Amino acid sequence: KAGVTQTPRYLIKTRGQQVTLSCSPISGHRSVSWYQQTPGQGLQFLFEYFSETQRNKGNFPGRFSGRQFSNSRSEMNVSTLELGDSALYLCASSPGDRGPDGELFFGEGSRLTVL
Amino acid sequence: EDKVVQSPLSLVVHEGDTVTLNCSYEVTNFRSLLWYKQEKKAPTFLFMLTSSGIEKKSGRLSSILDKKELFSILNITATQTGDSAIYLCAWTGGATNKLIFGTGTLLAVQP
Repeated sequence: KAGVTQTPRYLIKTRGQQVTLSCSPISGHRSVSWYQQTPGQGLQFLFEYFSETQRNKGNFPGRFSGRQFSNSRSEMNVSTLELGDSALYLCASSPGDRGPDGELFFGEGSRLTVL
Repeated sequence: EDKVVQSPLSLVVHEGDTVTLNCSYEVTNFRSLLWYKQEKKAPTFLFMLTSSGIEKKSGRLSSILDKKELFSILNITATQTGDSAIYLCAWTGGATNKLIFGTGTLLAVQP
């Protein structure tokens, strides 16, 4: 069974640009969550999607957005990039519709560097 | 504001030592507490705890939750260099997959 797949794995952007990251969850999983990981702040919750609907949102500015498609694949977009957006962006999938009854399965992440 | 605090932030031990990692939380609507191990990129699941006082065990790792005192510990006995990683605890509440993570404990096991 394939794991969570995130693309691209690494990317470099400059301030002001925008970026789109993609996440393919484990087959059959309907929930996809996004997290930002930085050395200073640790892992912070961005948003969660379930059945194409955003179910929960963290405390990030509106420059951070996401969506989920009918096949459960998800994308997140960051517009008007800032230096502080440099981070590892992790996607996690779960089958549950009632919250985690077990583990969340994380992808390898997309490492974004903003210059 | 919901928060999860882990301690210590980092520690260095030698192979064979026993370590105890701490996680305390101040959250509303507690549902479960989870432990993850992050070696390089993807955090991998260790335990999920929902009931107070019941120990979860997997090999040399074990964890227990105290819902009254609002903390959890992760024990690793007979540590090995392969245990070197960041250990993350996270809280979740309600019908959501939103996890609130602590900043993690960086464990380094020296030969």
